[in-house]
Amino acid sequence: EVQLVETGGALIQPGGSLRLACAVSGFTVGANYMTWVRQAPGKGLEWVSLIYSQGTTFYAGSVRGRFTILRDDPKNTLYLQMNSLRPEDTAIYYCAKGFYYDRSPEGAFHVWGQGTMVTVSS
Amino acid sequence: DIQMTQSPSSVSASVGDRVTIACRASQGIGNWLAWYQQKPGKAPKLLISASSNLQSGVPSRFSGSGSGTDFTLTISSLQPEDFATYYCQQANSFPWTFGQGTKVEIK
Repeated sequence: EVQLVETGGALIQPGGSLRLACAVSGFTVGANYMTWVRQAPGKGLEWVSLIYSQGTTFYAGSVRGRFTILRDDPKNTLYLQMNSLRPEDTAIYYCAKGFYYDRSPEGAFHVWGQGTMVTVSS
Repeated sequence: DIQMTQSPSSVSASVGDRVTIACRASQGIGNWLAWYQQKPGKAPKLLISASSNLQSGVPSRFSGSGSGTDFTLTISSLQPEDFATYYCQQANSFPWTFGQGTKVEIK
């Protein structure tokens, strides 16, 4: 069964650091493109970061330079390292698996985790 | 960055109604457009990719169309389980972006 489970969410003070993990089963993280999407309380979805299978990474402007997406292939786990956290980073963070059509990425995400809550507050 | 604007922001409809949600991109995105459904407290669910490709298991009452800057999600006959918030998302260029969402409510 394909499954993604996020962990690592917490209450953290502004300026602090946190690492989220997304443990994957049923497929290989390193062979797929993966993303992090967040949702502030009562708000819409915000794309955060993406890593392609070849290792290329991309970030939203609001997190570039502060967040790093990475993966551990032996552990089949995706991570989001978050530094210099701000109150506006408060959100549920979802990891998701990219969808391929006929072996080509279609830029959409068809398997999602349940999300992990990050609260940045003093 | 490409801005994605959905309209309306909310719509009240009855079971059996036809519902259309529009999504406009601030610049051309080809057909790099996906639609998601999200229910309260749940993760988003992919409905449509590449503007019009219905995901396996998604009811055929859902359809998507459009290319370039203007896209549409149509629910041909609204069912009770369709009351949710719908988001479009572009994947033409980074940073990828979502629309602000359209909430479909019970009339």
